[in-house]
Amino acid sequence: QKEVEQDPGPLSVPEGAIVSLNCTYSNSAFQYFMWYRQYSRKGPELLMYTYSSGNKEDGRFTAQVDKSSKYISLFIRDSQPSDSATYLCAMSGPYNTDKLIFGTGTRLQVFP
Amino acid sequence: GAVVSQHPSRVICKSGTSVKIECRSLDFQATTMFWYRQFPKQSLMLMATSNEGSKATYEQGVEKDKFLINHASLTLSTLTVTSAHPEDSSFYICSARVFKLETQYFGPGTRLLVL
Repeated sequence: QKEVEQDPGPLSVPEGAIVSLNCTYSNSAFQYFMWYRQYSRKGPELLMYTYSSGNKEDGRFTAQVDKSSKYISLFIRDSQPSDSATYLCAMSGPYNTDKLIFGTGTRLQVFP
Repeated sequence: GAVVSQHPSRVICKSGTSVKIECRSLDFQATTMFWYRQFPKQSLMLMATSNEGSKATYEQGVEKDKFLINHASLTLSTLTVTSAHPEDSSFYICSARVFKLETQYFGPGTRLLVL
């Protein structure tokens, strides 16, 4: 079993839709949770960072962490074609110096 | 802020040659830099972690004599692929982390093609 599981997609939605991206994990020691966006042939770009459980909102993006279920989510409201990319979840812990463990990434396509 | 650059962005070389890739943190000092490789439609695989002024720590299965990492300053790390072979062709991405922060900031990646 992988430490971090993520549905690879692709996920195809119409412009304006609410998108839900998810990851599950097995290591209960993880404390730091991140979402990265990666456009084709580019490096990942940090979108959201959350420590421990809870919600965090930034513009159209909301990150949720449920440590009891070992489940994290990223919601994108009013999705745009420019949101079309691969979304990678990543996590680490228990220490802030631990290496990041990445999900395989979910490919999202938002069509006009 | 938190910009990381990589050079070159793309390189094509002949089998047997060595290739050096530079990773720079442009607007912050990075105490730790990481090197990843990514195959098409796959996630990032950590190759090694380097701390400024000390030897890199390699992940299991990564040949340290083949992938030489130098982290000579707080803003520069280099990865040298020695005696490159076609199977080394991949997308190499570096990232940098600020001291005591958990998040990593990634460079734009270097696409290596070994003929």
